[in-house]
Amino acid sequence: GAGVSQSPRYKVTKRGQDVALRCDPISGHVSLYWYRQALGQGPEFLTYFNYEAQQDKSGLPNDRFSAERPEGSISTLTIQRTEQRDSAMYRCASTPSTGFTEAFFGQGTRLTVV
Amino acid sequence: GENVEQHPSTLSVQEGDSAVIKCTYSDSASNYFPWYKQELGKGPQLIIDIRSNVGEKKDQRIAVTLNKTAKHFSLHITETQPEDSAVYFCAEGDTGYSTLTFGKGTMLLVSP
Repeated sequence: GAGVSQSPRYKVTKRGQDVALRCDPISGHVSLYWYRQALGQGPEFLTYFNYEAQQDKSGLPNDRFSAERPEGSISTLTIQRTEQRDSAMYRCASTPSTGFTEAFFGQGTRLTVV
Repeated sequence: GENVEQHPSTLSVQEGDSAVIKCTYSDSASNYFPWYKQELGKGPQLIIDIRSNVGEKKDQRIAVTLNKTAKHFSLHITETQPEDSAVYFCAEGDTGYSTLTFGKGTMLLVSP
């Protein structure tokens, strides 16, 4: 497939557990973004990378959230000690170059913390 | 911080009618304004975008207008079809930061 791939599609976890969400961007895309989308809301920026460098993490809610993109391709968003308020759709997007170009979104990971 | 207000939250039209969705923003440095369409179970998909040096852009049945003085921009869909039914999001960005701020979305329902 040529699109942005996210896994898992659905994740149910118990409060206090750590979760890792994976994003495989379109091959060759330079920039990768993580967004969180609550039900009935627009995507909310979390963090983004140009190649392997994390350029902006100002949208991460607190220090339980972290992200990496070690080889400039696949990225992992990790949430430690999950809380119920972390439940949301987590979306990844990639763009072919830096700056404002079309962002291609994945289908997202629906995280439910029980 | 940046803020984007989007109206209406829901919009119902008859097939063939026009639909207009409006957004206002607060950051005078914003210079990129995309519109995304999100169908059920899918991620948002870009349908049209406009940059601050242009006042209007059209692509077949879709057009976007931008008024930088008033800080608002609008999406216009003409001759609506049932397959236009989806949630539409406006967004704004400042090329200095490379991130987008999205509105809350408009659910458009086109009835046959």
